[in-house]
Amino acid sequence: DGGITQSPKYLFRKEGQNVTLSCEQNLNHDAMYWYRQDPGQGLRLIYYSQIVNDFQKGDIAEGYSVSREKKESFPLTVTSAQKNPTAFYLCASSIGDRYQETQYFGPGTRLLVL
Amino acid sequence: GEDVEQSLFLSVREGDSSVINCTYTDSSSTYLYWYKQEPGAGLQLLTYIFSNMDMKQDQRLTVLLNKKDKHLSLRIADTQTGDSAIYFCAERRSNSGYELNFGKGTSLLVTP
Repeated sequence: DGGITQSPKYLFRKEGQNVTLSCEQNLNHDAMYWYRQDPGQGLRLIYYSQIVNDFQKGDIAEGYSVSREKKESFPLTVTSAQKNPTAFYLCASSIGDRYQETQYFGPGTRLLVL
Repeated sequence: GEDVEQSLFLSVREGDSSVINCTYTDSSSTYLYWYKQEPGAGLQLLTYIFSNMDMKQDQRLTVLLNKKDKHLSLRIADTQTGDSAIYFCAERRSNSGYELNFGKGTSLLVTP
């Protein structure tokens, strides 16, 4: 089956700890995205990548880091500099066509701080 | 950035039609999207409309676009309890590269 997978479903972080959220897609999409969702809020863009080995900051990149070493993978690290990391994190991918940009989402990872 | 506006809540009876409204920001937006999110899940693409269209119908879903007022609506015919979810409107601005701008979502509650 083609799709986007995120793991783990739930993740717990201790004070001062970095944690990494996984996102994998087998849709052969060029572009991938990370969003953060807080209760009652829309989605806010953290980082996105249009092509391997390249990525750009979104609206709320501070305290996060990403890498894009492979087309199918776009892991997100929540660093200890992110002081309020508790949220639902959604990964998405798209073909990367400037004229028809439909994003498809993974099931999400819920991050909780201990 | 500027906000995509949606009403926060909508309650309808099973079998009635639901209409979820959205006001977007950029008159030159190329594509507009509707996503559905069930509790604890990711976003599911429901439908999208290109900016040169006024209406798009897909089974029980009808999307209406009023470019003059920058208003988008999603009508769900014969609403079922399984339609209870949060519905997000999103726009792709013409000059934003690949980014989508999302509204805060409308929670639809369908009662028996």
